[in-house]
Amino acid sequence: EPEVTQTPSHQVTQMGQEVILRCVPISNHLYFYWYRQILGQKVEFLVSFYNNEISEKSEIFDDQFSVERPDGSNFTLKIRSTKLEDSAMYFCASSEALFSGRAGELFFGEGSRLTVL
Amino acid sequence: EDKVVQSPLSLVVHEGDTVTLNCSYEVTNFRSLLWYKQEKKAPTFLFMLTSSGIEKKSGRLSSILDKKELFSILNITATQTGDSAIYLCAAEPLNTGTASKLTFGTGTRLQVTL
Repeated sequence: EPEVTQTPSHQVTQMGQEVILRCVPISNHLYFYWYRQILGQKVEFLVSFYNNEISEKSEIFDDQFSVERPDGSNFTLKIRSTKLEDSAMYFCASSEALFSGRAGELFFGEGSRLTVL
Repeated sequence: EDKVVQSPLSLVVHEGDTVTLNCSYEVTNFRSLLWYKQEKKAPTFLFMLTSSGIEKKSGRLSSILDKKELFSILNITATQTGDSAIYLCAAEPLNTGTASKLTFGTGTRLQVTL
């Protein structure tokens, strides 16, 4: 069964460092997302991406965050200068085209746990 | 601001019991209500509901949406220990030509004991 894969599964970094989280969405999906879940809290929307550009972003997704689809398969989230409060599980997700009526059915990766010290 | 509220926050039941999980939502331009199961890491999709009163069923799990009262329930019959997980409810707004953006509830943590 096709799945969304994420790397790394866990990254520990020092405050102020840059991190890149990588994702390979399901190949025939057209929409890509990053969500995050701070320990014990809700899953929160960060950003959606379609047709090589950001479709929508939340207030959390400020200038320190960026996303990119550098090639035909990878989808990355970069955090430029990490802060302690960026510690969370970051989930990549993908979904089918909006016209399929199943765009809300997200397929999530296993997550990348980011720990900022 | 869109909001999703789930209850109860946690629940402990014995194997074989039936449970009902609740989800209420306030979403501008509502499109659909989704249920996910989160066991260890990734949420996995269970149901997507768009129409009121039509039950969706998958094995021992079923769900229904009430768009008038703005809530949904997820039922699990004959619970098994493998049903132990966090059940997440999420609301999807109707976006015109843009990707989906889900607002999640805090989840209901279900523990099924022997």
